[in-house]
Order: sequence, then structure tokens, then C-alpha cells
Amino acid sequence: GPKVLQIPSHQIIDMGQMVTLNCDPVSNHLYFYWYKQILGQQMEFLVNFYNGKVMEKSKLFKDQFSVERPDGSYFTLKIQPTALEDSAVYFCASRLGDTQYFGPGTRLLVL
Amino acid sequence: GDSVTQTEGLVTVTEGLPVKLNCTYQTTYLTIAFFWYVQYLNEAPQVLLRSSTDNKRTEHQGFHATLHKSSSSFHLQKSSAQLSDSALYYCALSGESGSFNKLTFGAGTRLAVCP
Repeated sequence: GPKVLQIPSHQIIDMGQMVTLNCDPVSNHLYFYWYKQILGQQMEFLVNFYNGKVMEKSKLFKDQFSVERPDGSYFTLKIQPTALEDSAVYFCASRLGDTQYFGPGTRLLVL
Repeated sequence: GDSVTQTEGLVTVTEGLPVKLNCTYQTTYLTIAFFWYVQYLNEAPQVLLRSSTDNKRTEHQGFHATLHKSSSSFHLQKSSAQLSDSALYYCALSGESGSFNKLTFGAGTRLAVCP
């Protein structure tokens, strides 16, 4: 099936630093999503993005979070500054039709 | 808000026997789509089944599920479990209007198929 890639697969950073998580969505997809999964908990919606804009975000999408997809390149999630509670697996997804296709996730550890 | 409940964290079954993973939900959406995603170790979650039609059986790769709006359920079943079915299974729902199709996930059920 369609493949979504995420770079890096793992990231360890110190609290207060900036981190950018990269997602390479399926090429003809138009809707993009980020989800967060804390260890042992369910995946939770963060934000969706369409036509260059955030369309909907959850309460987990703090002011320190931002997303963009400049010129059709990677769809990115930036956290600045990071906090300990940002440690989680972040999944990117893209959609055409009603089915979302997920990447393998980026495991972020904030120390 | 919307919620999806998967009551079992771990289901263990012997190869060749039937298996059922439970999924129930609460939602305010009028029109909904349901999904089962399967995630193998160190891989991306991938869609296994999708349904939006009440009381219609959906099948794929030997698995089947039927959306029952009367009981708010979308249980996943297979008549004969295989070793290769061992994975993490997520039930998820999305509204089909006004929500840009964000998914609400259950906590996941780990299926372990033993020889």
C-alpha cells in the first residue's frame, strides 16, 4: 500500500531545545495529520493540515507546536521549546479519500 | 467527546482457533467511518478493515467485522488465527463531516498467536 516515511526514527534531545519531526506523505495526498502516543496510552490526534493551513487542532497541540509543509516538501512538526511531557511517539498520516495512511513514527525522548 | 474502547489489552490464542477483538464506541457524529488498523513490530499502523455501513460485514485478509450501530460496536474476528497475525490492533473511528476526518483511537489490543 501507500507509504508514508518519517525522519528520524528516533530523537533524543534536552528539555528546552527545538526539535523538528519530518514526514514524507504519499505524493498525491492532500490532507496531513500528526498524532501523539505516550508510552502505554492510545494514539491521540494533534493537528490536521490542508491547503497550507491548520484546519483543526486538539488541546494537545500546545502553543510551542507548529506545522508546515513548505513548497510540497516534508510535512513538519516543530516543537520549540520542548518539555519533558513531549516525550512520545509521533505518527504522521496522510489521506486521500477517507482512509489515513500512517508512517512508522518518530520516537522522541526529551531529557 | 468521542471515545473508542478496546477492553482487552492482550489476547492470547492458539494457532488455528478463532479470535475476537472487541471494540465499542461513543460518538456524537451522525455519519461515521470505522477502521481496524494493524501494527506489526517496528512498522507503521496499516489499515486492515474499513466500514461505514450499518449491519454490513466487511472482510479482508481473513478478518471480518460488522458495524452495529444499535450496540455501538465494531468487533474484529477471524475464524482461524495464524502465527503471522500476532500484532497490535487498533480500532478507530472518524466523523465524515465537519471534522476533517480526524481519527479517535482505542488503546489497542495486542494479539499473540501461539503454536
